[in-house]
Amino acid sequence: DSGVTQTPKHLITATGQRVTLRCSPRSGDLSVYWYQQSLDQGLQFLIQYYNGEERAKGNILERFSAQQFPDLHSELNLSSLELGDSALYFCASSAPRVSGANVLTFGAGSRLTVL
Amino acid sequence: GEDVEQSLFLSVREGDSSVINCTYTDSSSTYLYWYKQEPGAGLQLLTYIFSNMDMKQDQRLTVLLNKKDKHLSLRIADTQTGDSAIYFCAESTMFSGGYNKLIFGAGTRLAVHP
Repeated sequence: DSGVTQTPKHLITATGQRVTLRCSPRSGDLSVYWYQQSLDQGLQFLIQYYNGEERAKGNILERFSAQQFPDLHSELNLSSLELGDSALYFCASSAPRVSGANVLTFGAGSRLTVL
Repeated sequence: GEDVEQSLFLSVREGDSSVINCTYTDSSSTYLYWYKQEPGAGLQLLTYIFSNMDMKQDQRLTVLLNKKDKHLSLRIADTQTGDSAIYFCAESTMFSGGYNKLIFGAGTRLAVHP
């Protein structure tokens, strides 16, 4: 157990629907990251939050949105789902290190299947 | 721009050494990382190296960094079947304000056979 909890583990839904993926970071970590892993695109950075504020944005579609709440858990909302959104969605968290290294701790992922 | 490239597949015999290579484009990368992903699991940090270092060794793992060529490698000595996994190289790039993000390569699938 990495300490990063993601729910649900598996999700099957239909095109056009909306889903919410949830992430609880490791205790004490203020930063949360979302990544999408698909077979043809590899691991794509979506978005990063730090202590409730958006810090960096990657290849996140406009149909997707995320937020980090005061208790530091984060949600990734995916709407108007398309077949191509089927992927593993990973959440990761991190805490600043004295060395400056940005070490991410990953959750086990949420596997989304869009039919 | 930011881009990290890796070969997609490597097959080695059990007991041999494995060398997984990675190239990156951001010359301002401060740290470079190797993560391991086992089937059905999330990514797990293996090791990382600061950009002013050439080499880092940690038990069976040796990381070599050629900053001039922007080339990173991970050597696994005495490779075991339990090392079969996908290995991701990642670079850490800085935003203003001191925040950074990790850019990952596509991953190298290591298959270890008897």
